[in-house]
Amino acid sequence: DAGVTQSPTHLIKTRGQQVTLRCSPKSGHDTVSWYQQALGQGPQFIFQYYEEEERQRGNFPDRFSGHQFPNYSSELNVNALLLGDSALYLCASSLRHPWTEAFFGQGTRLTVV
Amino acid sequence: AQKVTQAQTEISVVEKEDVTLDCVYETRDTTYYLFWYKQPPSGELVFLIRRNSFDEQNEISGRYSWNFQKSTSSFNFTITASQVVDSAVYFCALSEANKAAGNKLTFGGGTRVLVKP
Repeated sequence: DAGVTQSPTHLIKTRGQQVTLRCSPKSGHDTVSWYQQALGQGPQFIFQYYEEEERQRGNFPDRFSGHQFPNYSSELNVNALLLGDSALYLCASSLRHPWTEAFFGQGTRLTVV
Repeated sequence: AQKVTQAQTEISVVEKEDVTLDCVYETRDTTYYLFWYKQPPSGELVFLIRRNSFDEQNEISGRYSWNFQKSTSSFNFTITASQVVDSAVYFCALSEANKAAGNKLTFGGGTRVLVKP
């Protein structure tokens, strides 16, 4: 049973560019959440997708957007990249109920130069 | 707003010693869920344990145990007889019990555990 897979694993972008990160959830999971983890800090919630709609959003600007496809996979898009967007981006999949544990991918390390 | 605080930034122990990680949380909700996750150097967060707010019974699962005290808003986690493979960053997390909220997690800043042979 494949777990959560994310691509790419590493990415280097220039300030002002746009980036798309991808996530395939664990089999049977219908909810995908994205987190940003700056170096030495805990993950910060970006947003959550369920039934192809954004259901919850954290304190992130509109430059951060996403999408969920009918097969439950998801994309995270970041426009007009800033140096401060450099971080590990983690995708988590789960069932919708808050009791269920989230399964995380290994993340995409984004470096903005 | 929810908040999770892990005051210990780094703990270093020798193998076979016990390690206790502190977690203090803030929430206005009366019902919520608490989690501990482990993050090895590979990066992915690995689920360890969870507890709901209306069950304060403390439990042991293998070498892991936890102490949940609602009165002090604390959810401490202990690794008994630590091993080198336990070296990682450990995160405490909180989620609302509102189903509409899904399982959005609020994480603490993490505690790095280094177990020396």
